[in-house]
Amino acid sequence: EVQLVQSGAEVKKPGESLKISCKGSGYSFTSYWIGWVRQMPGKGLEWMGIIYPGDSDTRYSPSFQGQVTISADKSISTAYLQWSSLKASDTAMYYCARSGSVTTLGTFDIWGQGTMVTVSS
Amino acid sequence: EIVMTQSPATLSVSPGERATLSCRASQSVSSNLAWYQQKPGQAPRLLIYGASTRATGIPARFSGSGSGTEFTLTISSLQSEDFAVYYCQQYNNWTWTFGQGTKVEIK
Repeated sequence: EVQLVQSGAEVKKPGESLKISCKGSGYSFTSYWIGWVRQMPGKGLEWMGIIYPGDSDTRYSPSFQGQVTISADKSISTAYLQWSSLKASDTAMYYCARSGSVTTLGTFDIWGQGTMVTVSS
Repeated sequence: EIVMTQSPATLSVSPGERATLSCRASQSVSSNLAWYQQKPGQAPRLLIYGASTRATGIPARFSGSGSGTEFTLTISSLQSEDFAVYYCQQYNNWTWTFGQGTKVEIK
């Protein structure tokens, strides 16, 4: 079964750092892009960025450039999203999602279950 | 950044009826448009890509149309499991954006 499994919910304080993960299985992890999508409480979806684990090519939405870092370790089929200094406004559900080949690059066909990040003092 | 605008914000429909959802792009995205369904507490699910191609396992009652700046998702006969929020998303260039969503609720 093709799936993405994300790390568990996190509760952090403002200013703390955080790295959440997304592990792929059931497919060739290095042949598909992995994207990250934010969903703030009660709000819509926002694309944050994407990485190609095969060569670590990474692209960011201008809204998130410099705010987060996306990385991947292809040896363990895992992608990461990290913050160096969290803010209360980072409180949200974060999804990883697989994006397809050249013709479907940009569409997300497999999604992780989401990681809820709560930032509160 | 390409802005995606969905209408209406909420659509009240009776089971068995047709639902028509609209999505407009602030500039042309060609056919690089996808639709997703999200139910409460769940991750989104890809329904349509390339503006009109159903994703794997998606029932034929879901159809997409349009190109350029105007797109439509049609659900031909609403089933109970179709009541959810629907998002469009453009992927025309490397700055991908979603619409704000349309909630389809039971009338």
